Amino acid sequence: AQSVTQLDSHVSVSEGTPVLLRCNYSSSYSPSLFWYVQHPNKGLQLLLKYTSAATLVKGINGFEAEFKKSETSFHLTKPSAHMSDAAEYFCVVSPMNYGGSQGNLIFGKGTKLSVKP
Amino acid sequence: ETGVTQSPTHLIKTRGQQVTLRCSSQSGHNTVSWYQQALGQGPQFIFQYYREEENGRGNFPPRFSGLQFPNYSSELNVNALELDDSALYLCASSARTGVYNEQFFGPGTRLTVL
Repeated sequence: AQSVTQLDSHVSVSEGTPVLLRCNYSSSYSPSLFWYVQHPNKGLQLLLKYTSAATLVKGINGFEAEFKKSETSFHLTKPSAHMSDAAEYFCVVSPMNYGGSQGNLIFGKGTKLSVKP
Repeated sequence: ETGVTQSPTHLIKTRGQQVTLRCSSQSGHNTVSWYQQALGQGPQFIFQYYREEENGRGNFPPRFSGLQFPNYSSELNVNALELDDSALYLCASSARTGVYNEQFFGPGTRLTVL
């Protein structure tokens, strides 16, 4: 069975400081992993994806994540937070190595990111 | 904006009633997935439709059912509504044309069951 665990339900940072959102995954085979962002009253937006290519994945808006198989982790980082980054972030695993459209997406419980001025 | 639309935006029903939610997929997409997002939780997979056939189902009872039409739009039907069905219902469309096919999400329908 596949699952993801987001280690923090809420992270608060100051504008201009680094962001770290932590995610551990469990999968019986090589997974596809994603980070999605959800702004209030808006749909989910894909930030970045890992599908067994480069382990350091760059996404939109300056976010990146590193796949570490030995640690079963896929943490999301950004060097400098912006006020517009305040949102809910979801770590997601797909049980099939097709990026999700041929299978379901399994979401973590989410991490709410707050950015203080 | 992803091009995936859902209607209605908000809906209030009472326990025991039935509800139908609608989703129009992005142009060129032939696969629609439905998810339920309870307050404070991540979305949970309900089922997926590919070319009008159900193609995978999560851990939801049979009173959750769906349809996909020839134009690839989709409906989610929920019978005998329960209080716990109150949630944001999201649909996502994808193309299934290659190895990786991103799912594009609509803004959701907020269902409240009283």
